[in-house]
Amino acid sequence: GESVGLHLPTLSVQEGDNSIINCAYSNSASDYFIWYKQESGKGPQFIIDIRSNMDKRQGQRVTVLLNKTVKHLSLQIAATQPGDSAVYFCAENLVRGQNFVFGPGTRLSVLP
Amino acid sequence: EAQVTQNPRYLITVTGKKLTVTCSQNMNHEYMSWYRQDPGLGLRQIYYSMNVEVTDKGDVPEGYKVSRKEKRNFPLILESPSPNQTSLYFCASSSRTGIEQFFGPGTRLTVL
Repeated sequence: GESVGLHLPTLSVQEGDNSIINCAYSNSASDYFIWYKQESGKGPQFIIDIRSNMDKRQGQRVTVLLNKTVKHLSLQIAATQPGDSAVYFCAENLVRGQNFVFGPGTRLSVLP
Repeated sequence: EAQVTQNPRYLITVTGKKLTVTCSQNMNHEYMSWYRQDPGLGLRQIYYSMNVEVTDKGDVPEGYKVSRKEKRNFPLILESPSPNQTSLYFCASSSRTGIEQFFGPGTRLTVL
């Protein structure tokens, strides 16, 4: 399949542990922040989003935290599984659905 | 099955030979976008479209054209490809009311 990135930051976690992936964003006026997962050879897949008026949002096994003071976004994955191994991207969106700016990505590697 | 399709999936061409990458979605989405993905740079938005006949530039539009004559289709046109356009290209769509983008499988383009 297509290579996503050769020199990405990598986070290695033990299966069953919690993972925390961090992202710094650039535009303080961004209204939406989104996390995507990209598996090898596939297009990005939406995980969860959070609006700028919130600081925390939970999904199934995932939690996104937003700190607007320091322009920081994090994705927490509970009880990490082998199927969670992928590259994770954060993205910011200024106007709903229109211009998106993605971060460089983090590779998550789950160790057995 | 709800999906975004792209064709071709792989393309090798030579400098200056015009090419078109097609994108089609079957979800009746208003918004569509094109991205390129390069190692270490994440995804960068090339163009986006809010509806039929409405398009706007993303962050890296130089050397690309798009058209949106029908709601389901959003082709990417390279009038005179150059080697620096060698990349992995993704098409995405989303509804006007949602922030979730659905991505196609990608097109690997090599310009010699």
